[in-house]
Amino acid sequence: EVQLVESGGGLVQPGESLRLSCAASGFTFRTYDMHWVRQATGKGLEWVSGIGTAGDTYYPGSVKGRFTISRENAKNSLYLQMNILRAGDTAVYYCARGRGYCSSTNCRNWFDSWGQGTLVTVSS
Amino acid sequence: DIQMTQSPSTLSASVGDRVTITCRASQSIDSWLAWYQQKPGKAPQLLIYKASTLESGVPSRFSGSGSGTEFTLTISSLQPDDFATYYCQHYNTPPVTFGQGTKVEI
Repeated sequence: EVQLVESGGGLVQPGESLRLSCAASGFTFRTYDMHWVRQATGKGLEWVSGIGTAGDTYYPGSVKGRFTISRENAKNSLYLQMNILRAGDTAVYYCARGRGYCSSTNCRNWFDSWGQGTLVTVSS
Repeated sequence: DIQMTQSPSTLSASVGDRVTITCRASQSIDSWLAWYQQKPGKAPQLLIYKASTLESGVPSRFSGSGSGTEFTLTISSLQPDDFATYYCQHYNTPPVTFGQGTKVEI
């Protein structure tokens, strides 16, 4: 059974940093693209970052330069380093497994498995 | 960025109803579209990918259609477990974006 378990969320002040982790099990982690998707309370879904099996990374403009996605295949783990956090980054952050393909020039993934999410609150 | 617009935002229906949700893309995305179901306090669950391919384990009352810029999700006979919020997502090219969601309620 595919399992994705996020951790590392919490309360931080604006301008601070936080690192999220996602522990994967039940599948061959290194062969899948992986992503982070967030959801503010009562709002819709927003894709935050993606990483291909070869290590290519993808970001939307809203977080580019502030967030860094990485993976450690030996530990079946996905990470999201979030810097210069803002109130608008407050959300539940989900780790999601991608299907499709990611290359150096494009990434066409839908998300077939999701974790339960970890809450990040940015507030003074 | 490609914008995804769902309609309606809220849909009132009864058990047994046929329900259709529409998703429009701001530019052509071929068939690079997925649909998800989300219940309160839970993570989204994949229903359909590539516009019309049913994910394994998803009931056959769910179906998807469309290509280019207009897509639909249909529930042929609404069941009590189907009351939830539904999202479309394009994955033509990064950044992937989601529709704003359609809440199906009684």
